[in-house]
Parts: sequence; C-alpha cells; structure tokens
Amino acid sequence: QLQLQESGPGLVKPSETLSLTCTVSGDSISSSSYYWGWIRQPPGKGLEWIGSIYYTGSTHYNPSLKSRATISVDTSKNHFSLKMSSVTAADTAVYYCARVLEAARLGPDFDYWGQGTLVTVSS
Amino acid sequence: QSALTQPASVSGSPGQSLTISCTGTSSDVGGYNYVSWYQQHPDKAPKLMIYDVSNRPSGVSNRFSGSKSGNTASLTISGLQAEDEADYYCSSYTSSGTLEFGGGTKLTVL
Repeated sequence: QLQLQESGPGLVKPSETLSLTCTVSGDSISSSSYYWGWIRQPPGKGLEWIGSIYYTGSTHYNPSLKSRATISVDTSKNHFSLKMSSVTAADTAVYYCARVLEAARLGPDFDYWGQGTLVTVSS
Repeated sequence: QSALTQPASVSGSPGQSLTISCTGTSSDVGGYNYVSWYQQHPDKAPKLMIYDVSNRPSGVSNRFSGSKSGNTASLTISGLQAEDEADYYCSSYTSSGTLEFGGGTKLTVL
C-alpha cells in the first residue's frame, strides 16, 4: 500500500524559507513513472496547487508561486521536497503531498495523499 | 479568487440527488477531459472521487458521477447520505500546462 508522509518545521519566520519533505513508502519513485505534487490549504480556505514533479525531475509550477517555489526529487531517498522562499503569513497552510493516479501524465487526479502538515508563518 | 467557479454551498435531504457545478473556460475545463472531483471531510486529506470528467477510482460509490458540458463540469450525488456531508472541490488541467482547483462547495445534508 502506497503511503506518503510530509515532514518539516511547523513554524517558519516571515521572510525565511519553508522546507518540507514527502517520504514515499510502498513504491519506488524512480521505478514508477508518476507525477508527484504539492498542494496547500490555508486554514478555513480552499485547495491550491503549488506544483508537480515527474520522477525524472521535470517540474511544473503554479504561476502565482513559481518565483518562490522549488520542488525537487531524491530517488535515492525515495522522497521529494518543497522549498518556498520569502514566506509571509499568507503562506500559513496545511501542506499536502500527493501522487497522480495516471502514470506519466500531469493530471489533476491525485489518488494518494499524505495526511498533511500545518506550517505556520509567524515571528 | 479561484480560476474555477463553484457554488459556495449546496444542501439536500437524505435520498435526494444533487449536482455541484464547476465553471471554467475553454482553456481549462472546456478544453480537456482532465477534470477531477475531490471530497474532503473536516481535518482530513481530500479524497479523489472522479477523474477524467466521469471516471470513478476503485472503491468510490457509484452514487457519485461526473459529466461535462462546454466549460462547465458537474458532480452529481444520488441517494444522498449523511456521510456525504463534506466539502467538494473540482480540479482541471489547463492549456498552460498547470493545474487549478475550484473554490470548493460545502455540501450539507439536511
């Protein structure tokens, strides 16, 4: 059974960089041709796609966040990561990592999700 | 403001059917058959209910169905049950090679 688990600091200071990792278990990122993504949800608000990465390292980003977000993959550790720079209070959200249902396709169909991790931006 | 427009809330009685709409443009919903729907209960991760406009992942009840007409996609829930009370989000692929979500719809079972 595929499982995803987000990890990283729950509190980040304004103007600093948010760093999260999604550890994948039950499957190998390098041997399965899937897109993996980051989605966030501010408290009481809707979902926002941050970006997605293919197992090869190819990335796609939300244009509104592209200048601040960087997604990378480490197949040796079977995880992928998100870094978001120059954070503000508006970046406070639950951050989810997820896998797309259909292999080799950048689709909006995320079938496996992590439990989510709350990141608060505050001094 | 979300790129895809959904009603903020809908409600229905047990046993009824209801439909949630998701309106985009020809650059997203109308241009591709890559529309998904998610169900999210409080403090839980979203659950994929529909993908590729009308396909159900394994394990999703056949009470949930999806369709699309022009730039508007729809999620229909038949035989409404108390457990269906949740937030629902649509999502679409776009011509820019990105993904976007709707603002979400709160479903209340009366």
